[in-house]
Amino acid sequence: SQTIHQWPATLVQPVGSPLSLECTVEGTSNPNLYWYRQAAGRGLQLLFYSVGIGQISSEVPQNLSASRPQDRQFILSSKKLLLSDSGFYLCAWRGEQGNQPQHFGDGTRLSIL
Amino acid sequence: GQNIDQPTEMTATEGAIVQINCTYQTSGFNGLFWYQQHAGEAPTFLSYNVLDGLEEKGRFSSFLSRSKGYSYLLLKELQMKDSASYLCAVRDGDYKLSFGAGTTVTVRA
Repeated sequence: SQTIHQWPATLVQPVGSPLSLECTVEGTSNPNLYWYRQAAGRGLQLLFYSVGIGQISSEVPQNLSASRPQDRQFILSSKKLLLSDSGFYLCAWRGEQGNQPQHFGDGTRLSIL
Repeated sequence: GQNIDQPTEMTATEGAIVQINCTYQTSGFNGLFWYQQHAGEAPTFLSYNVLDGLEEKGRFSSFLSRSKGYSYLLLKELQMKDSASYLCAVRDGDYKLSFGAGTTVTVRA
């Protein structure tokens, strides 16, 4: 069966520091991969998605970036965090067929001080 | 742009039925998903509709009317553990989902 791992679970970072969140998927090949952010009491905002190695689509202009160095690895990064980057970050994967649901990792709660 | 509307909050009594409505106006439509999200946790998949009609899965059912841009999630025989946020999401292209802000359901004893 497929599993998705996301870490760390919580992170407290100072303004201006760098960020790296990692997500890996097991038990499937060539998944579509997604990064979302959820502000407190708000819906899910799609940040990036990837349909293959090295292929990244950005949805929202911001100081974040994403990379997919391997088929089942998706990384979210920032060189300098802003206070507004605080939130709940979720990685998700989906199979190649569009009628399949996205499945989410456990999320990373990021607090910027 | 995409516009997906859900009520913000609903409250119901244990054992009762609650219906969560979702209306959408999107540039395309390739299916609608419902997710459940408990506080502080990740969303989990509940149901998928791509054709008009009702899909039933145990205590949960989901309905879709494409001509009206409307869906609902029906939760029957409510239990305390059903207290959560319920997210409506529309697949409007090949890869992406657009999510509503979610409906927080509180189940009272």
